[in-house]
Amino acid sequence: AQKITQTQPGMFVQEKEAVTLDCTYDTSDQSYGLFWYKQPSSGEMIFLIYQGSYDEQNATEGRYSLNFQKARKSANLVISASQLGDSAMYFCAMREALMEYGNKLVFGAGTILRVKS
Amino acid sequence: ETGVTQTPRHLVMGMTNKKSLKCEQHLGHNAMYWYKQSAKKPLELMFVYNFKEQTENNSVPSRFSPECPNSSHLFLHLHTLQPEDSALYLCASSQVSNPYEQYFGPGTRLTVT
Repeated sequence: AQKITQTQPGMFVQEKEAVTLDCTYDTSDQSYGLFWYKQPSSGEMIFLIYQGSYDEQNATEGRYSLNFQKARKSANLVISASQLGDSAMYFCAMREALMEYGNKLVFGAGTILRVKS
Repeated sequence: ETGVTQTPRHLVMGMTNKKSLKCEQHLGHNAMYWYKQSAKKPLELMFVYNFKEQTENNSVPSRFSPECPNSSHLFLHLHTLQPEDSALYLCASSQVSNPYEQYFGPGTRLTVT
């Protein structure tokens, strides 16, 4: 069975600094995908970034980058130049091998990030 | 409306009530999902629908009854719920041919009294 582990229940970061949120995963599939979502207090899950298991380069989206270390089975999210609006819950998720009917995602427990001014 | 919308945003119901949650996606997707987010558990997938057909049911109790009349709408009918069913219920959608994304709605905060 697949599993996602986020070992940091909560993190603090100073505004304008970079922060790394940890995510490790466990799967026997060769083909899989890794996602990061942001959940503000409003509840909506906002898609941030995606990394495929066969992607050779780390994914980047603006201030977000994914530090993908396949051999270590880790997919850490790096947020550069933190902003107050980055304060939220962050979830790491994994998609099982591609299915005919869509993407079945397994989520980690999440990390609460607080950005200090 | 754009993206994935859910109504109502908040719902309080008694254990003997019957209510329904509604989800609508405006993205042209053909797969829709219900997730449950409890206070002390990771997000859990409940149901998956593909082209209106249910393709996944993760051992969800029968007091939760999904309905997908078309590829844009998804309902979750609730009856005789328990207090432990109080949670945030999130709807999501994706394109079956695209494994790189899954978009979520804002969720319905359900409280069972």
